[in-house]
Amino acid sequence: NAGVTQTPKFRVLKTGQSMTLLCAQDMNHEYMYWYRQDPGMGLRLIHYSVGEGTTAKGEVPDGYNVSRLKKQNFLLGLESAAPSQTSVYFCASNGLYRGAGGYTFGSGTRLTVV
Amino acid sequence: QKEVEQDPGPLSVPEGAIVSLNCTYSNSAFQYFMWYRQYSRKGPELLMYTYSSGNKEDGRFTAQVDKSSKYISLFIRDSQPSDSATYLCALTADFVFGPGTRLSVLP
Repeated sequence: NAGVTQTPKFRVLKTGQSMTLLCAQDMNHEYMYWYRQDPGMGLRLIHYSVGEGTTAKGEVPDGYNVSRLKKQNFLLGLESAAPSQTSVYFCASNGLYRGAGGYTFGSGTRLTVV
Repeated sequence: QKEVEQDPGPLSVPEGAIVSLNCTYSNSAFQYFMWYRQYSRKGPELLMYTYSSGNKEDGRFTAQVDKSSKYISLFIRDSQPSDSATYLCALTADFVFGPGTRLSVLP
């Protein structure tokens, strides 16, 4: 049982490049989330999904897009990377509404935009 | 004003000490209160969660919620070097996490 798997684990992008971060969960969870973590800022919600085919904006959605074509996958896209998007990105999932029961997090993707 | 405030530390204690970690929050709406532990370069892992005022105990860990004061705490008894990590409080109904408190337990 892998839980939540994020790929890639590390990436360096040049300003203006695009990339997609992949999150996969094998727990049949309805709810999936993308957070970014910056020093002193804690985890901030970028986008989330309450089920296959749905997405919604979080606290810091600008510059990111997401898709949930399959229940087990949640993709985060950066169309034109900026240095301000240098961060550690975490995907999380849970099976109950509004985080009841707690999230299961992936191990993170460290992204540097130069 | 941030929705969740948490002392960032760092906090250093000797092995065996009782540790108290605290958060305050502002939203009075129904919440799920959670504590996560995050080791360096790892994802957060759930330690404890509750949704009611009072204490909840799990081994050496006790989560305490005071809704009237909008205050949540995590107590760690008989702290161990393996407890050295960053501890995050969370109000998941609002998808909000505190910035985390970095704890070091010295042997």
